[in-house]
Amino acid sequence: EIVLTQSPGTLSLSRGERATLSCRASQSVSSFDLAWYQQKAGQAPRLLIYGASSRAIGIPDRFSGSGSGTDFTLTIIRLEPEDSAVYYCHQYGSSPTFGGGTKVEIK
Amino acid sequence: QVQLQESGPGLVRPSQTLHLTCIVSGDSIRTGAYYWSWIRQRPGKGLEWIGNIYYNGNINYNPSLRRRVAISLDTSRNQFSLKVTSVTAADTAIYYCARAQGGVRGVIITATHFDLWGQGTLVTVSA
Repeated sequence: EIVLTQSPGTLSLSRGERATLSCRASQSVSSFDLAWYQQKAGQAPRLLIYGASSRAIGIPDRFSGSGSGTDFTLTIIRLEPEDSAVYYCHQYGSSPTFGGGTKVEIK
Repeated sequence: QVQLQESGPGLVRPSQTLHLTCIVSGDSIRTGAYYWSWIRQRPGKGLEWIGNIYYNGNINYNPSLRRRVAISLDTSRNQFSLKVTSVTAADTAIYYCARAQGGVRGVIITATHFDLWGQGTLVTVSA
């Protein structure tokens, strides 16, 4: 099983700042096989990024994904209050697994 | 607009069988473009993939749950189902059904990212 470790656990930032979220895999993952989701309180997750760097339909360009191998990053620029959520990475190269999540708080 | 909606009992007794259904509206479940999936989230915890099923009957399960779960398709009702046997308190969770895009790997289609989710249904295992 590929274990995904996300860091930091919580990110507390101000409106307008940049958030950098990390997802590290226990073994190499193809860039085609990595996605990011946003989950707001009380809601189902929403797809943000797939294939490591492709934005899903309707996702603003403030969200971007990058990385390869074992290290992947989700970057959110110009943070807005509605970006407060937990963000999960997900690999689907082998038996699918999710990271433990990073909570983003907007101060 | 395609939508997924979970249904099933909110309370299940320990050692009993949990049975959930996901109704798909706005598209046929028989399309070869997607895998139909189940994912759960224990209270206050992260996401756990349970398994998925393809329109041709190909099924994949999380190895840690394989012995207790079964996923099936009902094309006549355009829905798919999840069964979890011998439930314990550890199976208490929000259960989501989701649609996974199919991706070509060599000569086969595999499940990739989850692009559409149901709203989720809370299942509590308690006596």
